[in-house]
Amino acid sequence: RKEVEQDPGPFNVPEGATVAFNCTYSNSASQSFFWYRQDCRKEPKLLMSVYSSGNEDGRFTAQLNRASQYISLLIRDSKLSDSATYLCVVNNRGGSYIPTFGRGTSLIVHP
Amino acid sequence: NAGVTQTPKFQVLKTGQSMTLQCAQDMNHNSMYWYRQDPGMGLRLIYYSASEGTTDKGEVPNGYNVSRLNKREFSLRLESAAPSQTSVYFCASQTGSGANVLTFGAGSRLTVL
Repeated sequence: RKEVEQDPGPFNVPEGATVAFNCTYSNSASQSFFWYRQDCRKEPKLLMSVYSSGNEDGRFTAQLNRASQYISLLIRDSKLSDSATYLCVVNNRGGSYIPTFGRGTSLIVHP
Repeated sequence: NAGVTQTPKFQVLKTGQSMTLQCAQDMNHNSMYWYRQDPGMGLRLIYYSASEGTTDKGEVPNGYNVSRLNKREFSLRLESAAPSQTSVYFCASQTGSGANVLTFGAGSRLTVL
């Protein structure tokens, strides 16, 4: 079983829709969590960190559920420019912090 | 502020040739990483360096070697390239604290014929 799992999608949604992605992780000792965005043929870039209490940044909301070992990303009022791959990242402490990536979830927002 | 710089951006090799991917960061980060990304596989960690002078294997280290030349630079070497090493390679760095984020280079696209 892969350490960080995501539904690859693609999620195909119209502009203005609300869409949610989940990511599960297997290491209960995981310490920090992030969502990254990757555009086609580009490097990943941080979208947002995920805090235990949940956090929001504009149209984006991230949640962490430690008991069930998953994180989620909710995107409201989808824009065409939100089309990208969303990567879940978990930092595990093993002497040093080792970021482990999920395979990514592809989002396509259409007019 | 350049962030993380990788070279070369593109490279075509023949099977058995060797090459080194260079990575440098100017953010005074302690930790540096090399990932490869293949279609449908996500980013897989090849090697990492938690601090200057240390390197450790990641998930897929076979066929690669690394050198942490100093705090700024972390190179990845393919001694005898194989077609299975055709991939996009990303270098990344972070401060070393688990709460801090990764900053990536723009990637190096390698094709091995």
